[in-house]
Amino acid sequence: DAGITQSPRHKVTETGTPVTLRCHQTENHRYMYWYRQDPGHGLRLIHYSYGVKDTDKGEVSDGYSVSRSKTEDFLLTLESATSSQTSVYFCAISDGGTGYTFGSGTRLTVV
Amino acid sequence: GENVEQHPSTLSVQEGDSAVIKCTYSDSASNYFPWYKQELGKRPQLIIDIRSNVGEKKDQRIAVTLNKTAKHFSLHITETQPEDSAVYFCAARSPGFQKLVFGTGTRLLVSP
Repeated sequence: DAGITQSPRHKVTETGTPVTLRCHQTENHRYMYWYRQDPGHGLRLIHYSYGVKDTDKGEVSDGYSVSRSKTEDFLLTLESATSSQTSVYFCAISDGGTGYTFGSGTRLTVV
Repeated sequence: GENVEQHPSTLSVQEGDSAVIKCTYSDSASNYFPWYKQELGKRPQLIIDIRSNVGEKKDQRIAVTLNKTAKHFSLHITETQPEDSAVYFCAARSPGFQKLVFGTGTRLLVSP
């Protein structure tokens, strides 16, 4: 496929619980990103990584943390899920030269 | 930081008509402008991109134009078909920053 997979594809969780989403790539790209997509807001950057253990915040990083211990994996953690974090989460990868390749997305519902 | 505005939010056309989506950006140093198409329930996919040293780029029925002076760029789709119906996102990237800032999207509906 596109060399990038996200898991899980769907998740329902309760308010206050921690949640971890996984992004895995087989392209050996340096850059990885987490975006959330909400109606009327488009795609907003949560966190991104420019190498193993090198990460930085995006515009909507509050309540989220990330880790990248291997080139191929980028994890997004919601430390204590809230209803406002109900969204579709997309991971993306880039070699820095052109646009992104997106994963298939994770639909997260916080009840 | 960079800010990208996109208009219109929705666009309805008849099959065979042309469609134009416009975006403006705030950082005059931005040098890369991709466009993504997202079909319902799918991932966004890159359909065309343009760099700041080029004024126009075409790929079959789609084209992108860039006006650096006015800081805006546009997506043009000619001879629209029902399968062009989707949400389209523009984006901009500033030099030295390996992250894209996206517009809020345009829902294009092509009626047969």
